[in-house]
Amino acid sequence: DAMVIQNPRYQVTQFGKPVTLSCSQTLNHNVMYWYQQKSSQAPKLLFHYYDKDFNNEADTPDNFQSRRPNTSFCFLDIRSPGLGDAAMYLCATSRGTSGTYNEQFFGPGTRLTVL
Amino acid sequence: AQKVTQAQTEISVVEKEDVTLDCVYETRDTTYYLFWYKQPPSGELVFLIRRNSFDEQNEISGRYSWNFQKSTSSFNFTITASQVVDSAVYFCALSADSGAGSYQLTFGKGTKLSVIP
Repeated sequence: DAMVIQNPRYQVTQFGKPVTLSCSQTLNHNVMYWYQQKSSQAPKLLFHYYDKDFNNEADTPDNFQSRRPNTSFCFLDIRSPGLGDAAMYLCATSRGTSGTYNEQFFGPGTRLTVL
Repeated sequence: AQKVTQAQTEISVVEKEDVTLDCVYETRDTTYYLFWYKQPPSGELVFLIRRNSFDEQNEISGRYSWNFQKSTSSFNFTITASQVVDSAVYFCALSADSGAGSYQLTFGKGTKLSVIP
């Protein structure tokens, strides 16, 4: 089945220790998104890739970076996690056809704990 | 700027009751899309419905129905004869083209629905 996969589902890291979250998709979608969702809050968009073009949200901290080595994979790097970065991180994909909306498909998320 | 307001933070109903989740939105775009997503305790966001701004026809899918009214900027979601499996957080979201085909979703804060057996 075509889908969005996130690994790992649960990640524990230490304060200040870099961590990488992974997302892969078999949908062959052009656009990949990373959202941060803190407890009892709505998902908040961090950034997205349209093909290889990176689009950062204005209020995304520099501590968060992303890589997209190919169409199928996208990574979220947190360079120095703080306690406030503990959250669920959701990856989503969509086709990107100009002028036509394409809905976003979400992965199951990675729950990050910072000790 | 886009904004989605879900005024109901938490709702509890007894099984088999009907429940309506409210959603009010703000946007300056003339073309936009509205969504409802369900987020069960497992965390995955499950797409329920998409409605574009030119289609105000209400929709029914099984026990789910949606009422879109542009005059009041509302897109409400009703579950008929609720079941325990409907317990989840429900998010209303709005999207418009941010350029080059990559639509960004603006979510409401969500409504936590608890269906009591």
